[in-house]
Amino acid sequence: GAVVSQHPSWVICKSGTSVKIECRSLDFQATTMFWYRQFPKQSLMLMATSNEGSKATYEQGVEKDKFLINHASLTLSTLTVTSAHPEDSSFYICSARDQGLHEQFFGPGTRLTVL
Amino acid sequence: KQEVTQIPAALSVPEGENLVLNCSFTDSAIYNLQWFRQDPGKGLTSLLLIQSSQREQTSGRLNASLDKSSGRSTLYIAASQPGDSATYLCAVSLRSGNTPLVFGKGTRLSVIA
Repeated sequence: GAVVSQHPSWVICKSGTSVKIECRSLDFQATTMFWYRQFPKQSLMLMATSNEGSKATYEQGVEKDKFLINHASLTLSTLTVTSAHPEDSSFYICSARDQGLHEQFFGPGTRLTVL
Repeated sequence: KQEVTQIPAALSVPEGENLVLNCSFTDSAIYNLQWFRQDPGKGLTSLLLIQSSQREQTSGRLNASLDKSSGRSTLYIAASQPGDSATYLCAVSLRSGNTPLVFGKGTRLSVIA
């Protein structure tokens, strides 16, 4: 199957700093990628839809100025958590849809801990 | 708004037992349905994908069925093993194209040796 990578796999940062998470589709092109967030013992909740070459679409309640998304190429989307706070600590997972297979492939996730 | 519900929330069974996990969704106009496995602290592993036109999919000891009209899917695991212990997530995709998945809260399965 298609492979999606995320970097870093985990990160610990101080409150107030910014953290960038990368999501890459390694062997296919993805015009659309999705960013999800998962709190402990909860399910995945969609944060935003990342569209190559255009602005991301954010779900209700997700601050676009806090969670900056850039989809600069057909294989890369980045999520930047700006001015991170402890409540932003979570597991962030991206996915990319392979148009030809009509299936979403998920990255391994990034665990963010804000101290 | 699409809502996905999974029952039970947690399940503990002895090794070797056959088991069924349930998933229901409120809007039957889905494009496809996927079952995932998630180990603690890890990402998602796709188990089975069922297109809306299909009734079931099988992979090894796993069998997933889909009844789109009633908004239900089941994941059947045969001859369960301790290695099957994980959280199983059901997710649906609406329409076609670039739509995200809507996830259930999952079923935490423990298979006791």
